[in-house]
Amino acid sequence: ETGVTQTPRHLVMGMTNKKSLKCEQHLGHNAMYWYKQSAKKPLELMFVYSLEERVENNSVPSRFSPECPNSSHLFLHLHTLQPEDSALYLCASSQGRRGSYEQYFGPGTRLTVT
Amino acid sequence: KQEVTQIPAALSVPEGENLVLNCSFTDSAIYNLQWFRQDPGKGLTSLLLIQSSQREQTSGRLNASLDKSSGRSTLYIAASQPGDSATYLCAVSDYGQNFVFGPGTRLSVLP
Repeated sequence: ETGVTQTPRHLVMGMTNKKSLKCEQHLGHNAMYWYKQSAKKPLELMFVYSLEERVENNSVPSRFSPECPNSSHLFLHLHTLQPEDSALYLCASSQGRRGSYEQYFGPGTRLTVT
Repeated sequence: KQEVTQIPAALSVPEGENLVLNCSFTDSAIYNLQWFRQDPGKGLTSLLLIQSSQREQTSGRLNASLDKSSGRSTLYIAASQPGDSATYLCAVSDYGQNFVFGPGTRLSVLP
């Protein structure tokens, strides 16, 4: 148990669906992250939130929309996805946003777009 | 742009062997380097974090070293066990405070 939980663990959705991924951290951290892990590719950083403010958006398509209502919760809203968006989506948190802090990861949501 | 590579891509060893995993990065201006373990279909578990001012960190049978000037880190696993089988990832954080991950080394320890 890492202190970072993600729901759902598995999700299958059609290209016209709208769904949301949820992440919750119980570590008292101030920064939260969304990563995408595709087959045979390194982890890609998607979004960074620090103190509920989005501070990083790595050229992610607008069909992915993050939301951070407070420092413990992070959502990733999905709509009109493409099959190539199928991947493992990982949430992480750290004490602060500075690179000196250790990152803690959740178990991930396995997303399949049909 | 920071790039991280890991060699070998896959490694298979008999139980009890000592082994070394390698991580290289192109830009030496880093804050820290972190080693993770990932079991199939699961999230990442942090193993060791080395700050840029440090040379190495140890935790149990694991020892990680960092040579910033040459852009290299190694993860040494002593007396390997079947439970060590997993994919090992290294990640560096740069002064842009982003984390860049390597592709990982898939380790199999055979009983």
